[in-house]
Amino acid sequence: KQEVTQIPAALSVPEGENLVLNCSFTDSAIYNLQWFRQDPGKGLTSLLLIQSSQREQTSGRLNASLDKSSGRSTLYIAASQPGDSATYLCAVADRGSTLGRLYFGRGTQLTVWP
Amino acid sequence: NAGVTQTPKFQVLKTGQSMTLQCAQDMNHNSMYWYRQDPGMGLRLIYYSASEGTTDKGEVPNGYNVSRLNKREFSLRLESAAPSQTSVYFCASSESGTVTYEQYFGPGTRLTVT
Repeated sequence: KQEVTQIPAALSVPEGENLVLNCSFTDSAIYNLQWFRQDPGKGLTSLLLIQSSQREQTSGRLNASLDKSSGRSTLYIAASQPGDSATYLCAVADRGSTLGRLYFGRGTQLTVWP
Repeated sequence: NAGVTQTPKFQVLKTGQSMTLQCAQDMNHNSMYWYRQDPGMGLRLIYYSASEGTTDKGEVPNGYNVSRLNKREFSLRLESAAPSQTSVYFCASSESGTVTYEQYFGPGTRLTVT
């Protein structure tokens, strides 16, 4: 069974810092890895999806990398802003299922203070 | 194009009551999913449906039943609600067999069982 771990569980930084969120998974047989953002009391917003054949994806100030062989992904947020405060979830779509069943980490709760 | 919609948004039940959570998608996806999210946890899969007319158990199916009514709709039923089922429920859909296996999520239903 796929196990997904996110480190750190919580992070508090001043505005303007560049920061890295980490995600690791136990089985490299995946279709893709997704990073989501979740605001308090809200649903999931998809940020980036990296297919298993890709090494990284970028969207604005966000960059996600994938090292499938080592079972690791990082989400890099440049020049952080208070509006980036949210919980960030990592999920992998497992090849053990024809559907690409998603396994989620517990998330990193990010606070960016002015 | 509404994506994935869920009703209701909020619900309070007494122990032993029953209810059905509704989910619909307008993206013509074959596969649909129900997840629950508990505080400090990632999402866990309750049931999924690979295609119209099929359903399968996920990681935490006990206490739930599902119906794939047609290609658009996938409902989750609690026959006799228990306090342990207090959670946020998310529905998702995807087009399995594509390159990305990307899942799209609804806004969630916040359920409290007293």
